[in-house]
Amino acid sequence: AQKVTQAQTEISVVEKEDVTLDCVYETRDTTYYLFWYKQPPSGELVFLIRRNSFDEQNEISGRYSWNFQKSTSSFNFTITASQVVDSAVYFCALSDPSGGYQKVTFGTGTKLQVIP
Amino acid sequence: EAGVAQSPRYKIIEKRQSVAFWCNPISGHATLYWYQQILGQGPKLLIQFQNNGVVDDSQLPKDRFSAERLKGVDSTLKIQPAKLEDSAVYLCASSELGYGGHNEQFFGPGTRLTVL
Repeated sequence: AQKVTQAQTEISVVEKEDVTLDCVYETRDTTYYLFWYKQPPSGELVFLIRRNSFDEQNEISGRYSWNFQKSTSSFNFTITASQVVDSAVYFCALSDPSGGYQKVTFGTGTKLQVIP
Repeated sequence: EAGVAQSPRYKIIEKRQSVAFWCNPISGHATLYWYQQILGQGPKLLIQFQNNGVVDDSQLPKDRFSAERLKGVDSTLKIQPAKLEDSAVYLCASSELGYGGHNEQFFGPGTRLTVL
């Protein structure tokens, strides 16, 4: 069975601080994909990134970076120099080919509050 | 490109009443998902369609929930009769086929259901 754990329920940081959101996953499959989504106060989830299980190269996109480590089954997300607009709930998700189709499991989310 | 459309945005009903939600996915997206998101939790998959066939409805309370996707495009989710614990946001998402099936999902704005 697949599982995604986001142990941090809520995080508060002061603007311009760096913050890391943790994600730990469980799956028996060797081929899988990991995602991060952002849910701002407006409510609509927005896709941020997708990584496959064969690509452990870290990725940077502007102030966002992702660290994927298969050895620890983690896919952590770092926001550098946080801004108020980063305030949202962030979800980590795992997709694996259970039963021959894409089965997606979301974590419980981490609520990030960036204080001006 | 138009996003995923959902209606209504808000619905308030009494317990034991019926309610229906509508979703129009992004044009050309073969896969459609309905999620239930209870306040403070991550999205929970209720049902997943690929074209107009169901690939996963293992978490759909089939005694009261039903869903259909006519002609592989629009979809309707119905609750009959509603219970207090059905109060949640119902999210619709769609994704393309291809990429091994592990594509990012595009979410609609959701329907916030309150059952009194």
